[in-house]
Amino acid sequence: AQSVTQLDSQVPVFEEAPVELRCNYSSSVSVYLFWYVQYPNQGLQLLLKYLSGSTLVESINGFEAEFNKSQTSFHLRKPSVHISDTAEYFCAVKSDNNNDMRFGAGTRLTVKP
Amino acid sequence: NAGVMQNPRHLVRRRGQEARLRCSPMKGHSHVYWYRQLPEEGLKFMVYLQKENIIDESGMPKERFSAEFPKEGPSILRIQQVVRGDSAAYFCASSPRLGAGETQYFGPGTRLLVL
Repeated sequence: AQSVTQLDSQVPVFEEAPVELRCNYSSSVSVYLFWYVQYPNQGLQLLLKYLSGSTLVESINGFEAEFNKSQTSFHLRKPSVHISDTAEYFCAVKSDNNNDMRFGAGTRLTVKP
Repeated sequence: NAGVMQNPRHLVRRRGQEARLRCSPMKGHSHVYWYRQLPEEGLKFMVYLQKENIIDESGMPKERFSAEFPKEGPSILRIQQVVRGDSAAYFCASSPRLGAGETQYFGPGTRLLVL
């Protein structure tokens, strides 16, 4: 079975500062990795995903994540955050062995002016 | 193309009542997933359905919970005789195809409060 650990429940940062949201997973089989963002009172929106190929994946709004198989990590980074990035971020893992997506507990990113 | 629709957005029930949560997947999507999010926790898988079939209900509580996805109309998650512990946000997601790498598109959720 797969599982996901998001090491930080809350990350406060100042506007224009860099940020890293950490995600580690455990699995005995090959996995697919996802980052979703949830704005207040809304559903989850896909931010980016890793399926295969290049280990660095990027989103359209400046976020990127790197798949590191040896460290079983998929940390999310952004070099300069905006106030509008304030949201809850969820890391998720899926494999060919199961139908469901396993989510981490989430990291609440708060960007302060 | 409308996204995944869920209604109601908020639902208040007293203990012992029934709760019905509806989900209309994105157009062209025939795979529906239900997740539950408890306060301060991530989403937990409940059930995966295709039209008229329950494919995987390994995350569903054994009693009081049921789900369906009829040939016509939305998917329904039904909770009978609700208890306070059922208070949570319930999210529906849909995908166009079956595949581990397929993106699941989420609805805005239904927030259930049991008094």
